[in-house]
Amino acid sequence: EDQVTQSPEALRLQEGESSSLNCSYTVSGLRGLFWYRQDPGKGPEFLFTLYSAGEEKEKERLKATLTKKESFLHITAPKPEDSATYLCAVQASETSYDKVIFGPGTSLSVIP
Amino acid sequence: DAGITQSPRHKVTETGTPVTLRCHQTENHRYMYWYRQDPGHGLRLIHYSYGVKDTDKGEVSDGYSVSRSKTEDFLLTLESATSSQTSVYFCAIRAGGNQPQHFGDGTRLSIL
Repeated sequence: EDQVTQSPEALRLQEGESSSLNCSYTVSGLRGLFWYRQDPGKGPEFLFTLYSAGEEKEKERLKATLTKKESFLHITAPKPEDSATYLCAVQASETSYDKVIFGPGTSLSVIP
Repeated sequence: DAGITQSPRHKVTETGTPVTLRCHQTENHRYMYWYRQDPGHGLRLIHYSYGVKDTDKGEVSDGYSVSRSKTEDFLLTLESATSSQTSVYFCAIRAGGNQPQHFGDGTRLSIL
């Protein structure tokens, strides 16, 4: 069964304290892995797509990496405005071409 | 921002009444999706469309129906609303292939 898990469930960081969020997946052939940011009362906002193991993408203080079984979202020197819930989603090539499977998310709080 | 508009943004209604939520896009994307998001469950797919008049069920489709009579509009209908359908509903669009989904800002639906 295709599955996506994320850890930790919640993360509290001091401003400037770097850390990583994990997304682990088991799917029948990976077509794409997506990272989103969701602020309270808003829809998920697209951040990155990763397509193959070894790929990396960066945007400001965020860097996403991909292996064959998991993806990491590294946050370098976070600021309070990085506080949000981060979702990862996977598109499987064999079982659900038209759909993606979302993980439960990691709630990040960055304290000034 | 992706051109996605959800309406209404908030709605309160009574058990047993019909409810229709609308998603409108200006991107001419082929795929459209309806999700619900609840604490402890994350994003769950209700129905999706892969073209005009072409729809399919997601993991939580019972009690919901959809229609797509033109590319830009995707309607979600609760024929007889129940309290268990109180949730935040998100519409998403996707161009196709392994492109990411882009989300609207959601409809908060309360059924009393």
